[in-house]
Amino acid sequence: DTGVSQDPRHKITKRGQNVTFRCDPISEHNRLYWYRQTLGQGPEFLTYFQNEAQLEKSRLLSDRFSAERPKGSFSTLEIQRTEQGDSAMYLCASSWLTGAYEQYFGPGTRLTVT
Amino acid sequence: AQSVTQLDSQVPVFEEAPVELRCNYSSSVSVYLFWYVQYPNQGLQLLLKYLSGSTLVKGINGFEAEFNKSQTSFHLRKPSVHISDTAEYFCAVSNINDYKLSFGAGTTVTVRA
Repeated sequence: DTGVSQDPRHKITKRGQNVTFRCDPISEHNRLYWYRQTLGQGPEFLTYFQNEAQLEKSRLLSDRFSAERPKGSFSTLEIQRTEQGDSAMYLCASSWLTGAYEQYFGPGTRLTVT
Repeated sequence: AQSVTQLDSQVPVFEEAPVELRCNYSSSVSVYLFWYVQYPNQGLQLLLKYLSGSTLVKGINGFEAEFNKSQTSFHLRKPSVHISDTAEYFCAVSNINDYKLSFGAGTTVTVRA
């Protein structure tokens, strides 16, 4: 197993454009989490899935953000009409349902909105 | 809800010297506690975790941490650091129900020769 992967690693976009990020969790991990990390800060929780069900969304996740996890495998995070304040590192993590306290993180996608 | 405060934003230290990174948390429910390390341009790697039992936990790369319930602290220590320990360190807590992590702002450790 190669761990959690994220694609792309870097994305530069112009304000107002839509972007989509992908996360491939460790095989058979039931839970998948998205976090956002801005410069000089720790990661902040955005949302999480248990299999294909999205169980919770943070109030940080405005209606411009949407996340999916079809078939309980990979997940996508889409940001519509990007704003400069969306510039951040977007981190994905996955875990088993039991022992879910241990999350394994991917390398992140760094988004820059110009 | 829970929150984490890392008391030092930057810690410079000489190679082979000891280091301590301080972390305090607040929560109205029982929590699990973690320390993660982030090397430049990489994701987060788990150093160690406290779930229950012995309050002294040992992790990877020679790190250890002590849980103090009365002081709501979870300080990280290493008796002798290496240049390769230069990184950002994050303390995190999760409640025992949904497991989502709440992180501190991080401590940058810079090890100099």
